[in-house]
Amino acid sequence: TAGITQAPTSQILAAGRSMTLRCTQDMRHNAMYWYRQDLGLGLRLIHYSNTAGTTGKGEVPDGYSVSRANTDDFPLTLASAVPSQTSVYFCASSVTGRVTDTQYFGPGTRLTVL
Amino acid sequence: AQSVTQLGSHVSVSEGALVLLRCNYSSSVPPYLFWYVQYPNQGLQLLLKYTSAATLVKGINGFEAEFKKSETSFHLTKPSAHMSDAAEYFCAVRAMDSSYKLIFGSGTRLLVRP
Repeated sequence: TAGITQAPTSQILAAGRSMTLRCTQDMRHNAMYWYRQDLGLGLRLIHYSNTAGTTGKGEVPDGYSVSRANTDDFPLTLASAVPSQTSVYFCASSVTGRVTDTQYFGPGTRLTVL
Repeated sequence: AQSVTQLGSHVSVSEGALVLLRCNYSSSVPPYLFWYVQYPNQGLQLLLKYTSAATLVKGINGFEAEFKKSETSFHLTKPSAHMSDAAEYFCAVRAMDSSYKLIFGSGTRLLVRP
Protein backbone atom coordinates (compact mmCIF):
# COMPACT_ATOMS: atom_id res chain seq x y z
CA THR A 1 0.00 0.00 0.00
CA ALA A 2 1.44 3.36 -1.02
CA GLY A 3 -0.35 5.35 1.67
CA ILE A 4 0.16 9.02 0.90
CA THR A 5 2.15 10.21 -2.07
CA GLN A 6 3.27 13.79 -2.63
CA ALA A 7 4.70 15.43 -5.71
CA PRO A 8 7.09 16.92 -6.45
CA THR A 9 9.71 15.80 -3.92
CA SER A 10 11.38 19.17 -4.14
CA GLN A 11 11.06 22.34 -6.17
CA ILE A 12 12.78 25.67 -6.63
CA LEU A 13 10.29 28.36 -7.60
CA ALA A 14 10.73 31.96 -8.63
CA ALA A 15 8.83 34.50 -6.54
CA GLY A 16 5.56 35.48 -8.14
CA ARG A 17 5.08 32.16 -9.90
CA SER A 18 2.24 29.80 -9.09
CA MET A 19 2.56 26.17 -8.16
CA THR A 20 0.39 23.24 -7.13
CA LEU A 21 1.63 20.66 -4.66
CA ARG A 22 -0.06 17.33 -5.21
CA CYS A 23 -1.22 14.90 -2.56
CA THR A 24 -2.92 11.56 -3.12
CA GLN A 25 -3.90 8.91 -0.61
CA ASP A 26 -5.10 5.38 -1.29
CA MET A 27 -6.47 4.60 2.16
CA ARG A 28 -9.96 6.02 1.52
CA HIS A 29 -9.52 8.37 4.44
CA ASN A 30 -12.14 11.07 4.79
CA ALA A 31 -10.00 13.75 6.40
CA MET A 32 -6.92 15.34 4.83
CA TYR A 33 -4.56 18.08 5.97
CA TRP A 34 -1.74 20.28 4.74
CA TYR A 35 0.99 21.32 7.18
CA ARG A 36 4.16 23.31 6.72
CA GLN A 37 7.30 22.58 8.72
CA ASP A 38 9.69 25.36 9.61
CA LEU A 39 12.78 25.07 11.77
CA GLY A 40 12.03 25.70 15.42
CA LEU A 41 8.29 25.99 14.83
CA GLY A 42 7.25 22.38 14.40
CA LEU A 43 4.40 21.81 11.95
CA ARG A 44 1.54 24.24 11.43
CA LEU A 45 -1.76 23.57 9.72
CA ILE A 46 -2.43 25.43 6.47
CA HIS A 47 -5.77 23.97 5.34
CA TYR A 48 -7.83 20.90 6.04
CA SER A 49 -10.74 18.92 4.66
CA ASN A 50 -12.96 16.72 6.82
CA THR A 51 -14.63 15.13 3.81
CA ALA A 52 -14.73 15.43 0.03
CA GLY A 53 -16.33 18.67 -1.06
CA THR A 54 -15.48 20.61 2.12
CA THR A 55 -12.39 22.55 3.18
CA GLY A 56 -11.38 24.76 6.08
CA LYS A 57 -8.64 27.18 7.03
CA GLY A 58 -5.91 26.32 9.47
CA GLU A 59 -3.44 28.49 11.36
CA VAL A 60 -1.51 29.85 8.37
CA PRO A 61 -3.80 29.86 5.32
CA ASP A 62 -2.78 33.16 3.69
CA GLY A 63 -1.33 32.72 0.21
CA TYR A 64 -2.59 29.15 -0.13
CA SER A 65 -5.72 27.54 -1.51
CA VAL A 66 -7.00 23.97 -1.61
CA SER A 67 -9.74 21.94 -3.21
CA ARG A 68 -11.19 18.52 -2.44
CA ALA A 69 -13.03 17.28 -5.50
CA ASN A 70 -12.78 13.62 -4.46
CA THR A 71 -11.72 11.47 -1.51
CA ASP A 72 -8.22 10.67 -2.71
CA ASP A 73 -6.74 14.00 -3.83
CA PHE A 74 -6.04 17.19 -1.92
CA PRO A 75 -3.91 19.64 -3.95
CA LEU A 76 -2.38 22.76 -2.40
CA THR A 77 -1.94 25.80 -4.64
CA LEU A 78 0.31 28.80 -4.17
CA ALA A 79 -1.13 31.50 -6.42
CA SER A 80 1.86 33.85 -6.29
CA ALA A 81 4.78 32.47 -4.33
CA VAL A 82 6.78 34.59 -1.88
CA PRO A 83 10.10 33.75 -0.18
CA SER A 84 8.38 33.27 3.20
CA GLN A 85 6.65 30.24 1.71
CA THR A 86 9.96 28.44 1.56
CA SER A 87 9.30 25.41 3.71
CA VAL A 88 8.72 21.68 3.79
CA TYR A 89 5.10 20.81 3.12
CA PHE A 90 3.46 17.69 4.48
CA CYS A 91 0.14 16.23 3.51
CA ALA A 92 -1.63 14.04 6.07
CA SER A 93 -4.82 12.04 6.29
CA SER A 94 -6.96 10.27 8.87
CA VAL A 95 -9.93 7.95 8.67
CA THR A 96 -12.21 10.65 9.98
CA GLY A 97 -11.68 13.91 11.81
CA ARG A 98 -12.25 12.28 15.22
CA VAL A 99 -9.91 13.37 17.98
CA THR A 100 -8.55 9.85 18.59
CA ASP A 101 -7.77 9.14 14.94
CA THR A 102 -4.16 8.82 13.90
CA GLN A 103 -2.97 11.22 11.23
CA TYR A 104 -0.72 9.60 8.64
CA PHE A 105 1.86 11.74 6.90
CA GLY A 106 3.28 11.78 3.41
CA PRO A 107 7.01 12.10 2.65
CA GLY A 108 6.86 15.86 2.12
CA THR A 109 7.67 18.41 -0.57
CA ARG A 110 10.63 20.72 -0.04
CA LEU A 111 9.88 24.09 -1.63
CA THR A 112 12.34 26.92 -2.06
CA VAL A 113 11.03 30.29 -3.28
CA LEU A 114 13.69 32.66 -4.59
CA ALA B 1 -6.08 27.47 23.76
CA GLN B 2 -4.11 24.27 23.62
CA SER B 3 -0.36 24.00 23.26
CA VAL B 4 2.59 21.74 23.88
CA THR B 5 6.10 22.62 24.97
CA GLN B 6 9.09 20.41 24.35
CA LEU B 7 12.00 21.15 26.64
CA GLY B 8 15.35 20.82 24.91
CA SER B 9 15.77 21.23 21.18
CA HIS B 10 18.63 18.72 21.27
CA VAL B 11 19.18 15.72 23.53
CA SER B 12 22.33 13.61 23.36
CA VAL B 13 22.64 10.16 24.93
CA SER B 14 25.05 7.28 24.72
CA GLU B 15 24.01 4.05 23.06
CA GLY B 16 22.38 1.87 25.70
CA ALA B 17 21.44 4.79 27.95
CA LEU B 18 17.98 5.88 28.97
CA VAL B 19 16.17 8.18 26.58
CA LEU B 20 13.93 10.87 28.12
CA LEU B 21 12.26 13.45 25.91
CA ARG B 22 10.08 15.97 27.72
CA CYS B 23 6.69 17.27 26.70
CA ASN B 24 4.33 19.46 28.70
CA TYR B 25 0.88 20.37 27.51
CA SER B 26 -1.64 23.09 28.17
CA SER B 27 -5.30 22.30 27.68
CA SER B 28 -8.56 23.37 29.25
CA VAL B 29 -10.19 20.07 28.25
CA PRO B 30 -8.94 16.50 28.57
CA PRO B 31 -6.16 16.27 26.00
CA TYR B 32 -5.43 13.73 23.33
CA LEU B 33 -1.65 13.53 22.97
CA PHE B 34 0.65 12.08 20.36
CA TRP B 35 4.34 11.45 19.82
CA TYR B 36 5.71 11.31 16.29
CA VAL B 37 9.20 10.55 15.01
CA GLN B 38 10.78 12.02 11.89
CA TYR B 39 13.84 10.44 10.34
CA PRO B 40 15.97 12.58 8.01
CA ASN B 41 14.20 13.57 4.81
CA GLN B 42 11.11 11.58 5.68
CA GLY B 43 7.59 12.24 6.83
CA LEU B 44 6.32 11.83 10.38
CA GLN B 45 5.56 8.41 11.83
CA LEU B 46 3.34 7.82 14.84
CA LEU B 47 5.16 6.41 17.87
CA LEU B 48 2.23 6.34 20.28
CA LYS B 49 -0.89 8.18 21.35
CA TYR B 50 -2.81 8.86 24.54
CA THR B 51 -6.58 8.72 24.20
CA SER B 52 -7.51 8.46 27.92
CA ALA B 53 -7.74 4.65 28.00
CA ALA B 54 -4.54 4.15 30.03
CA THR B 55 -2.02 6.59 31.45
CA LEU B 56 1.00 4.49 30.44
CA VAL B 57 1.09 4.13 26.70
CA LYS B 58 3.40 1.74 24.89
CA GLY B 59 4.44 2.48 21.35
CA ILE B 60 6.63 1.15 18.60
CA ASN B 61 10.40 0.59 18.78
CA GLY B 62 10.37 0.17 22.57
CA PHE B 63 9.15 3.69 23.37
CA GLU B 64 6.55 4.50 25.97
CA ALA B 65 5.03 7.61 27.50
CA GLU B 66 3.16 8.31 30.70
CA PHE B 67 0.33 10.80 30.95
CA LYS B 68 0.53 12.73 34.22
CA LYS B 69 -2.36 15.10 34.67
CA SER B 70 -0.98 16.62 37.87
CA GLU B 71 2.22 17.59 36.05
CA THR B 72 0.55 18.29 32.67
CA SER B 73 3.25 16.11 31.15
CA PHE B 74 3.55 13.37 28.57
CA HIS B 75 7.25 12.53 28.53
CA LEU B 76 8.63 9.95 26.09
CA THR B 77 11.06 7.30 27.36
CA LYS B 78 13.02 4.32 26.16
CA PRO B 79 15.16 2.22 28.51
CA SER B 80 18.08 1.68 26.15
CA ALA B 81 18.93 3.90 23.19
CA HIS B 82 19.95 2.44 19.84
CA MET B 83 21.85 4.22 17.11
CA SER B 84 18.77 3.84 14.93
CA ASP B 85 16.77 6.03 17.37
CA ALA B 86 18.60 9.14 16.18
CA ALA B 87 15.84 11.32 14.73
CA GLU B 88 13.61 14.28 15.53
CA TYR B 89 10.71 13.71 17.87
CA PHE B 90 7.54 15.76 18.02
CA CYS B 91 4.91 15.92 20.72
CA ALA B 92 1.46 17.04 19.65
CA VAL B 93 -1.98 17.69 21.13
CA ARG B 94 -5.20 17.35 19.19
CA ALA B 95 -7.09 20.62 18.77
CA MET B 96 -10.69 20.63 19.94
CA ASP B 97 -12.03 22.76 17.10
CA SER B 98 -13.60 21.89 13.76
CA SER B 99 -10.22 21.09 12.22
CA TYR B 100 -9.11 18.60 14.90
CA LYS B 101 -5.65 19.52 13.77
CA LEU B 102 -2.49 18.43 15.56
CA ILE B 103 -0.78 21.22 17.48
CA PHE B 104 2.91 20.39 17.46
CA GLY B 105 5.76 21.26 19.74
CA SER B 106 8.93 22.59 18.20
CA GLY B 107 10.61 19.20 18.24
CA THR B 108 13.58 17.56 19.96
CA ARG B 109 16.48 16.17 17.99
CA LEU B 110 17.87 13.02 19.60
CA LEU B 111 21.55 12.28 19.05
CA VAL B 112 22.88 8.85 20.00
CA ARG B 113 26.59 8.55 20.66
CA PRO B 114 28.34 5.23 20.06
